[in-house]
Amino acid sequence: QKEVEQDPGPLSVPEGAIVSLNCTYSNSAFQYFMWYRQYSRKGPELLMYTYSSGNKEDGRFTAQVDKSSKYISLFIRDSQPSDSATYLCAMSVGKAGTALIFGKGTTLSVSS
Amino acid sequence: DGGITQSPKYLFRKEGQNVTLSCEQNLNHDAMYWYRQDPGQGLRLIYYSQIVNDFQKGDIAEGYSVSREKKESFPLTVTSAQKNPTAFYLCASSIQLSLGELFFGEGSRLTVL
Repeated sequence: QKEVEQDPGPLSVPEGAIVSLNCTYSNSAFQYFMWYRQYSRKGPELLMYTYSSGNKEDGRFTAQVDKSSKYISLFIRDSQPSDSATYLCAMSVGKAGTALIFGKGTTLSVSS
Repeated sequence: DGGITQSPKYLFRKEGQNVTLSCEQNLNHDAMYWYRQDPGQGLRLIYYSQIVNDFQKGDIAEGYSVSREKKESFPLTVTSAQKNPTAFYLCASSIQLSLGELFFGEGSRLTVL
């Protein structure tokens, strides 16, 4: 079993839809959870950063972490065509000497 | 503006040639990383460095080499030993290894002809 699993999609939704993106993981030591957004031919940029379990909201974006289920989610409300990108989940144990582990990314397309 | 600069953005090389990708950061970060991105594969870690003059192999280091002579610079050499070098290469940095946000450059696309 891979450390981080993410459905690659592609996911196509109409403008205004609620989008749910998910990752599962196997390492219970992960403490820090991130979502990155990557536009085509660009480097990823950090979208959301959470520590341990719970929810975090930023505008139209909500990140959820359920450590008991080893499951994280990113919700996008009122999706816009500008949200069309690849979304990568990432996580780490937060200890020196360990690197961030990325999911493979989910490609989202929002049509107007 | 602070950030990470990668160059060149696009690079073509013939088989058997070595090529070096540049990565410079002015964020004063200690840790720097190189990732390779292929369609459907996500980001795979090639090398990372926690501090000047120190670097560690990642998951797919074979056929690649790096140096870290200066804090702000972490160049990646793709050698002729790399069997399938055509890919999108991303450089990143963070305050310390595994702590805080990873900042990425714009990437370098290498195509072997």
